[in-house]
Amino acid sequence: NAGVTQTPKFQVLKTGQSMTLQCAQDMNHNSMYWYRQDPGMGLRLIYYSASEGTTDKGEVPNGYNVSRLNKREFSLRLESAAPSQTSVYFCASRGLIVSYEQYFGPGTRLTVT
Amino acid sequence: AQSVTQLGSHVSVSEGALVLLRCNYSSSVPPYLFWYVQYPNQGLQLLLKYTTGATLVKGINGFEAEFKKSETSFHLTKPSAHMSDAAEYFCAVMSAGTALIFGKGTTLSVSS
Repeated sequence: NAGVTQTPKFQVLKTGQSMTLQCAQDMNHNSMYWYRQDPGMGLRLIYYSASEGTTDKGEVPNGYNVSRLNKREFSLRLESAAPSQTSVYFCASRGLIVSYEQYFGPGTRLTVT
Repeated sequence: AQSVTQLGSHVSVSEGALVLLRCNYSSSVPPYLFWYVQYPNQGLQLLLKYTTGATLVKGINGFEAEFKKSETSFHLTKPSAHMSDAAEYFCAVMSAGTALIFGKGTTLSVSS
């Protein structure tokens, strides 16, 4: 089991460029999440998908779009990157079992210049 | 609405000393509470969680936490710090939508 995988690990973009962050999980989980981590801010929820075919906004959705491609994959798209989107992005997934634990990927470090 | 407050952005202890990381939460429903650890340049790893049942929960690496409803607290402790415990620690509460609401984190430094 690879768990939650994210690509790429690192990315540098220029202001205005677009890119898609990929996330996949092999644990047959229903729910998937995108967070961003900024120094002194903890992790903040961008978007989540409670199940295949549904997506909902989190705390900081502006400037992002998501796609739940299938049960395994949940992508995050930046249409026109801004320096304020420089951050570390984490994908997570969660199953339906009682434990409620979320499993996190290794993160993508994005710099927008 | 749920929220989490971690008291102290940095905590420094000596090796072998008690570790105490503080977390207070607010929640309008019975909370599910979590502590995660993040080592440098890595993702988050679950240390322990409280969902229901026993209020003293034990996790990995010798950590434990006690859910105190009357104090709305979920403080993380370890009797004897080890150098390998140096990391950033996050307390989180599960929101109604099943996403996690995180505190801002506490960086633990351990000196020899």
